[in-house]
Amino acid sequence: QVQLQESGPGLVKPSETLSLTCTVSGGSITNYYWNWIRQTPGNGLEWIGYIYNNGKTDYNPSLKSRLTMSVDTSKNQFSLRLSSVTAADTAIYYCVRGDPRGYKDYWGNYFYYGMDVWGQGTTVAVSS
Amino acid sequence: EIVLTQSPGTLSLSPGERATLSCRTSQSVDSSYLAWFQQKPGQAPRLLIYGASSRATGIPDRFSGSVSGTDFTLTISRLEPEDFAVYFCQQYGSSPYTFGQGTKMEIK
Repeated sequence: QVQLQESGPGLVKPSETLSLTCTVSGGSITNYYWNWIRQTPGNGLEWIGYIYNNGKTDYNPSLKSRLTMSVDTSKNQFSLRLSSVTAADTAIYYCVRGDPRGYKDYWGNYFYYGMDVWGQGTTVAVSS
Repeated sequence: EIVLTQSPGTLSLSPGERATLSCRTSQSVDSSYLAWFQQKPGQAPRLLIYGASSRATGIPDRFSGSVSGTDFTLTISRLEPEDFAVYFCQQYGSSPYTFGQGTKMEIK
């Protein structure tokens, strides 16, 4: 089955750029949207943004000015770069598969699959 | 941004009991894009319910979801020991996608 694995430095200095990569194994990177979500004790779960295999992105406005996502279909990987980090960016970062498909039931109701596969998460601390 | 408010913050119940968790949205959310997740300590969240009421692959039928207006409910019909965890709701129909703050289910 599909598995996601985050990789990247566990410690980043303030004002520097946080870079993470997610490797997708056991399945194709096409036809899905690939999300980054982070979790902190204080702010809970926060959606950072997503990228499709064609490069289309959607970013959380709260992070948009510092955020860049990219995808490498040849390596089945996608990446996150968050610039000018502060202590507030300290979190567990998850890469998550989003399935844009769904189904319609007998009564015409739609059910979209959503974010169905998560990586195990990687902890990133911002500290000097 | 759509705010999701979950209640209660903590729910203390015993195995075998019925659990009812609530998620209220600050504005109308297409129920086709409402999910529930379960998270255990040290683990990533796991998708339980999508489209407000459809169970994800491998999720037992004691988990069910429903909606009434802007109020979404996750019900666990008879709690098993492995169900004690934190539960989050999420809307993924309107960007930015947002999560509730979570309900912690603890053993009474």
